[in-house]
Order: sequence, then structure tokens, then C-alpha cells
Amino acid sequence: DQQVKQNSPSLSVQEGRISILNCDYTNSMFDYFLWYKKYPAEGPTFLISISSIKDKNEDGRFTVFLNKSAKHLSLHIVPSQPGDSAVYFCAASVGDDKIIFGKGTRLHILP
Amino acid sequence: EADIYQTPRYLVIGTGKKITLECSQTMGHDKMYWYQQDPGMELHLIHYSYGVNSTEKGDLSSESTVSRIRTEHFPLTLESARPSHTSQYLCASTAEANEKLFFGSGTQLSVL
Repeated sequence: DQQVKQNSPSLSVQEGRISILNCDYTNSMFDYFLWYKKYPAEGPTFLISISSIKDKNEDGRFTVFLNKSAKHLSLHIVPSQPGDSAVYFCAASVGDDKIIFGKGTRLHILP
Repeated sequence: EADIYQTPRYLVIGTGKKITLECSQTMGHDKMYWYQQDPGMELHLIHYSYGVNSTEKGDLSSESTVSRIRTEHFPLTLESARPSHTSQYLCASTAEANEKLFFGSGTQLSVL
């Protein structure tokens, strides 16, 4: 049973617009959430994280929102750029335990 | 930023061969991990280590084995490769819990 779910396998967004990637989780004990970006045949690179004590964290064009009551987090990218085309993984962990990843969402930025 | 290295980047081998995928990090991290990932799927944890001489199996059953004789080195070995082992193998490390994982570039393995 998947604990971290990314229900949209792919998303297409016009260059310059906002990209919103969604993630749902089932384990209410998760206390740390991360987003990673991955290009084909490369390792994932860290984008942004958020602790469960916060509901928003911002870093440049990237903002992560956490809604604990809904067990939902989202990644906003504004403005979207061609280099943002990649697969985005949502991940979560609890305490000292291992990080669990979702299946990823492939983001296509259209010219 | 990441000082974690995986070799080889790509490997094509025949069935039955023994292979070792190398992973090294220069950050002094105690925690190291091996993930397996196929296109459109999540990263599956297959092995992890919290320090020298400590290794554990992950959530996904794997026929591979690992060793951790030195802090910086965490190799993964397949004694007899099969086509079902074709996948991307990703090594990662972190200093503490609730901190980000640093990933290597991955090894894309194809077993014919």
C-alpha cells in the first residue's frame, strides 16, 4: 500500500505560468517532506523540504505548501521555465526512519 | 554540491555475470542507501546502512547484497545477474534523520 501518492503521472504547463504538483500521504506520523527533481538517467536532485510544524516553505521560484489535516502537500513553481521539464518526486519520512517516495509526476513545460 | 559518486554510469552485461556497483561519498555521512527505480515507478529502497559494519535490507526484496567496511564506501553486488535486474540503481547518503538525501548519478543496468 502506497504511503506517498502522486496521482498525476504527467502535467503540461505553458512556459511562464505556474506549475502545481500535488502529493497525498496516508501516514499521519510523517513529520518531514521533500521534493526532488529527476532528469532521465540521472540521480534525483533535492529541491525543497518542509517540516510538519510549518505549512509553507519558499525558496526562489519554488514553494511547498503542507495541509496536515488533508494529508496533502503541493509544490508550486513560478514562473515555469523550460529547464523545469523533469520528473518530480514527493517524499516523506517519520523520525529517524527511511524516506518514502511517490511514483513521480512528469512535468512538461511548453514553449 | 553533492559529493557522492557512482560507477559505472551505464552497464550492459549478460545473464549469469557477477557485478558490483560502486558508490562512494566524501561527506562523512553515516547513513547510506541503495534505491532501485524503473520508469514511472517510485524509488524502492533495497538496502541501507547506518554506519560501518551495519547493513539492512530495505522494503523491496532484492537478490543483491551490500557491504559497509568503510564509512565512505557502500558497494552493491549481484552474484548472478538476470534480465529482471535491469533497472536504474541509485545510491544516496545523509548525515542525519530529517535531512535531505544526496543522490549519486545512478547506474543504469541492462542484463541481456
